[in-house]
Amino acid sequence: SQTIHQWPATLVQPVGSPLSLECTVEGTSNPNLYWYRQAAGRGLQLLFYSIGIDQISSEVPQNLSASRPQDRQFILSSKKLLLSDSGFYLCAWRRLASDTQYFGPGTRLTVL
Amino acid sequence: QQQVKQSPQSLIVQKGGISIINCAYENTAFDYFPWYQQFPGKGPALLIAIRPDVSEKKEGRFTISFNKSAKQFSLHIMDSQPGDSATYFCAASMRGGSQGNLIFGKGTKLSVKP
Repeated sequence: SQTIHQWPATLVQPVGSPLSLECTVEGTSNPNLYWYRQAAGRGLQLLFYSIGIDQISSEVPQNLSASRPQDRQFILSSKKLLLSDSGFYLCAWRRLASDTQYFGPGTRLTVL
Repeated sequence: QQQVKQSPQSLIVQKGGISIINCAYENTAFDYFPWYQQFPGKGPALLIAIRPDVSEKKEGRFTISFNKSAKQFSLHIMDSQPGDSATYFCAASMRGGSQGNLIFGKGTKLSVKP
């Protein structure tokens, strides 16, 4: 069966500090991978998606970047965090032949 | 054109009642319509999904009704329970479009009172 992991689960960072969030998927090969952000009480905003290693598409220009160094690893980064980067970050995956996206447990990021 | 509009924003239902959440879309190329359930502090989980070739799909107490001509679909939760209290998101996507990216509604926070 497939499993998706995200870490850390929670993170408190000062403004201007760097960020690295990691997502890994087990039990499948060559998945499509996604990063979403969810502000408190709000909907899901797609940030990045990837169809393969080193193939990243950005949906929203911002302070964040994404990388996919391995087939089942997706990393969300920032060089300098802003207050507005606070939120709940969700990673998701989709099998190529399927429409269904499966979400990870999320990372709660608070920027102070 | 790419939006999915969801209503209501919040909903309070008595235990045993029917919860109804509605979504509307504009892009007729959408051909996959899932509903996700999200509990506080957790990632969304797929609840039920439908394609435009059927008008209704039922799984247990959860039913999707789909109206292709009106470009609307809705989630019905029968015999609502306090454990159903969560935020529900509708979404839509199309095969071959933007790598199957889902377009989400803004969510409905459901509270089921005992």
